[in-house]
Amino acid sequence: QVQLQESGPGLVKPSETLSLTCTVSGGSISAYHWSWIRQPPGKGLEYMGYIYYNGRTNYNPSLKSRVTISLDTSRNRFSLKLSSVTAADTAVYYCARLYCSGSTCYFDYWGQGTLVTVSS
Amino acid sequence: DIQMTQSPSSLSASIGDRVTITCQASQDIRNYLNWYQQKPGKGPKLLIYDASNSETGVPSRFSGSGSGTDFTFTISSLQPEDIATYYCQQFANLPYTFGQGTKLEIK
Repeated sequence: QVQLQESGPGLVKPSETLSLTCTVSGGSISAYHWSWIRQPPGKGLEYMGYIYYNGRTNYNPSLKSRVTISLDTSRNRFSLKLSSVTAADTAVYYCARLYCSGSTCYFDYWGQGTLVTVSS
Repeated sequence: DIQMTQSPSSLSASIGDRVTITCQASQDIRNYLNWYQQKPGKGPKLLIYDASNSETGVPSRFSGSGSGTDFTFTISSLQPEDIATYYCQQFANLPYTFGQGTKLEIK
């Protein structure tokens, strides 16, 4: 059974960089797409981006050039960096596996989520 | 971006009721739609993919239908453990987008 676990600081100051890691267990990261999705308090879900196991990335244009997703295959984990954060970036951040095959894609495994608050 | 509009935003129903949630896409997304269930404090769980295919292990009371721009998610007989928020999500175009959610409560 594939399991994902987010980790990282729960509090980040405005204008700084948010950094989170997602550790994958029960399966290899050297396959599939690996994604970050966030959910502001009381709001809906926002796709942030993914990284494919070969290093190819896709980012949500709404985040412009602030987001970077990277892969660490030696530790079976992937990471998120979001720069120049503001209070609007306060959210629960989820990592998820994006399964794509043929014409279908879906997020089939999710972490529990981690709350990151942006505040001075 | 493709906008996904869910209705209703909240719903109160009794145990045993048939519950229906709709999701409308701002453009044709064929059958490129998934449905998720999210319980408080948890990550979402995939229930339906490709508009009408049930994920392995999902109870048969959950079903989905539709194509193009209009989709429906149905719970045939509401159970207490179904209390959650439900989201649709399109994967026809990047960036992937979600509906705003439907919060389901017991009457």
